[in-house]
Amino acid sequence: EAQVTQNPRYLITVTGKKLTVTCSQNMNHEYMSWYRQDPGLGLRQIYYSMNVEVTDKGDVPEGYKVSRKEKRNFPLILESPSPNQTSLYFCASSPSPRTYTGELFFGEGSRLTVL
Amino acid sequence: GESVGLHLPTLSVQEGDNSIINCAYSNSASDYFIWYKQESGKGPQFIIDIRSNMDKRQGQRVTVLLNKTVKHLSLQIAATQPGDSAVYFCAENPLVTTDSWGKLQFGAGTQVVVTP
Repeated sequence: EAQVTQNPRYLITVTGKKLTVTCSQNMNHEYMSWYRQDPGLGLRQIYYSMNVEVTDKGDVPEGYKVSRKEKRNFPLILESPSPNQTSLYFCASSPSPRTYTGELFFGEGSRLTVL
Repeated sequence: GESVGLHLPTLSVQEGDNSIINCAYSNSASDYFIWYKQESGKGPQFIIDIRSNMDKRQGQRVTVLLNKTVKHLSLQIAATQPGDSAVYFCAENPLVTTDSWGKLQFGAGTQVVVTP
């Protein structure tokens, strides 16, 4: 089954404790992206990747890191989480950016709470 | 499920009626526009898209209208069903330069509630 898989789905952590949210897609998509979703603000892009070893900042990259060492994986790293990073996070993927139209395939989301 | 619509505008629609969801976009240079549906506890799902050289596009029970003059996008759902209850997002993709390919911009969303 074609899917984007995120882990963990739910996490409660404390300020400053490094964490990684993994994202994996099995559709051989070149493009992957991370969003955070907060009430009333919609989806805001954190980072995106056009292909392996190619990443770029979205609208709200502060406090986050990403890497794209393999095509299928795009982990989101919070080196020192803070309470303002409490949010619902979504990973998404899409076929080649050369034909990119906007159809993204989203994961089920990861609810992160930072105390 | 996840609660993501605490401060969203809400559209209440009776089952069987048509729904119209509106969206104002910001970038007059945007080339692609997309509608997504997000059910409670799930990630957004693609519904339909439209390119800037079109005014209207139809799918199964859905129609998207684009008015570039006033930068307005709408999604019409025919014969709304209970399964249409969700948050609906519009998004714009400014395919102006290679650098902007990846930067899809989402609106805040509209909560649609279908009543029996």
